[in-house]
Amino acid sequence: EPEVTQTPSHQVTQMGQEVILRCVPISNHLYFYWYRQILGQKVEFLVSFYNNEISEKSEIFDDQFSVERPDGSNFTLKIRSTKLEDSAMYFCASTPGAREREQFFGPGTRLTVL
Amino acid sequence: QKEVEQNSGPLSVPEGAIASLNCTYSDRGSQSFFWYRQYSGKSPELIMFIYSNGDKEDGRFTAQLNKASQYVSLLIRDSQPSDSATYLCAVNGDYKLSFGAGTTVTVRA
Repeated sequence: EPEVTQTPSHQVTQMGQEVILRCVPISNHLYFYWYRQILGQKVEFLVSFYNNEISEKSEIFDDQFSVERPDGSNFTLKIRSTKLEDSAMYFCASTPGAREREQFFGPGTRLTVL
Repeated sequence: QKEVEQNSGPLSVPEGAIASLNCTYSDRGSQSFFWYRQYSGKSPELIMFIYSNGDKEDGRFTAQLNKASQYVSLLIRDSQPSDSATYLCAVNGDYKLSFGAGTTVTVRA
């Protein structure tokens, strides 16, 4: 069964450094998303992406964040200058066809900012 | 701000019993509703989705939707220890899912 994959599974970085989190959505899916979950808190939406552009973004997704689909398979989230409060699990998700359909989540990347 | 509220839990049920989880949402225009299961340290795993008013059954799981009351529920029948997890209610609208805080279920053997 096709799955969303994410790399790395765990990323440790120093405050102020740039990180890139990578995702490979399910191959025939059209909508892509990033969510994050701070330890003990709810899953929060960051950004959605369709047809090579951002469809919607949350207040969390400020100028320090960017997304890109550099080729036909990868979908990346870049954090330009990490802060301590960026420490969280970051989940990529994708949806087939219509945006109202169910979203399938990858295993996540645990980001630790020191 | 679209809010999704879940009964706070934790919910402890004996093996073989029914676990009942509730969720309310604030956006009356929401059209699709999802239940995800999340084990500790893992990602959300889709277990049910429902788009129309009424009940939808899938194995031991039944989702119920009442759009007039803005209410979604999940029943887990014949609960098993492997059902012990946090259950997340999610509501779709405008290119994103809004999640509730989750209800943690523990099934006692």
